[in-house]
Amino acid sequence: DTAVSQTPKYLVTQMGNDKSIKCEQNLGHDTMYWYKQDSKKFLKIMFSYNNKELIINETVPNRFSPKSPDKAHLNLHINSLELGDSAVYFCASSPVTSGSYQETQYFGPGTRLLVL
Amino acid sequence: RKEVEQDPGPFNVPEGATVAFNCTYSNSASQSFFWYRQDCRKEPKLLMSVYSSGNEDGRFTAQLNRASQYISLLIRDSKLSDSATYLCVVNKGGSYIPTFGRGTSLIVHP
Repeated sequence: DTAVSQTPKYLVTQMGNDKSIKCEQNLGHDTMYWYKQDSKKFLKIMFSYNNKELIINETVPNRFSPKSPDKAHLNLHINSLELGDSAVYFCASSPVTSGSYQETQYFGPGTRLLVL
Repeated sequence: RKEVEQDPGPFNVPEGATVAFNCTYSNSASQSFFWYRQDCRKEPKLLMSVYSSGNEDGRFTAQLNRASQYISLLIRDSKLSDSATYLCVVNKGGSYIPTFGRGTSLIVHP
């Protein structure tokens, strides 16, 4: 069974469109993340949710809006897509132990977004 | 200085070689350190956590030097299957925000 799954795997779209990427984890983790990996392979965190509550928002444009209907799902909606949004988007999840900073993250397979 | 810095490589080594990577971090309050591995066109996967006293997992040894603010990864007896990008991850001090380095590319050749 896939622990962290994302759909779609590939997304090709025109500038100005609105698109969504879905993420689900069946690990029972409390925390989920969205990362962007650009063409230079630099992996940067965008958002993190803990039990459906936003805990990290790393200076991401307002066009990006995460939504967490429950702790097993964290979807990413992107409005008015721009060329610079082309990248691989990874969802991840991790357990969070109170008082501990140690976290192992489990990544989904990634969604390759190409904006034309 | 970038928050987490790695030599991008590539490190090109023969099978059986020993290779070491370093990763420096800027925030002295950082608490959690990890090495992840990412294969081409795949997602990152945890290789090992890095503990203060250093730790070993088979052919892999991780070390933490808080005074100099770097972590290292040593791979002994390299295998062809070790070819990948190795990502250093540091949690910002006092928070759960993970910061990834840009990765070090390793190519192991026959």
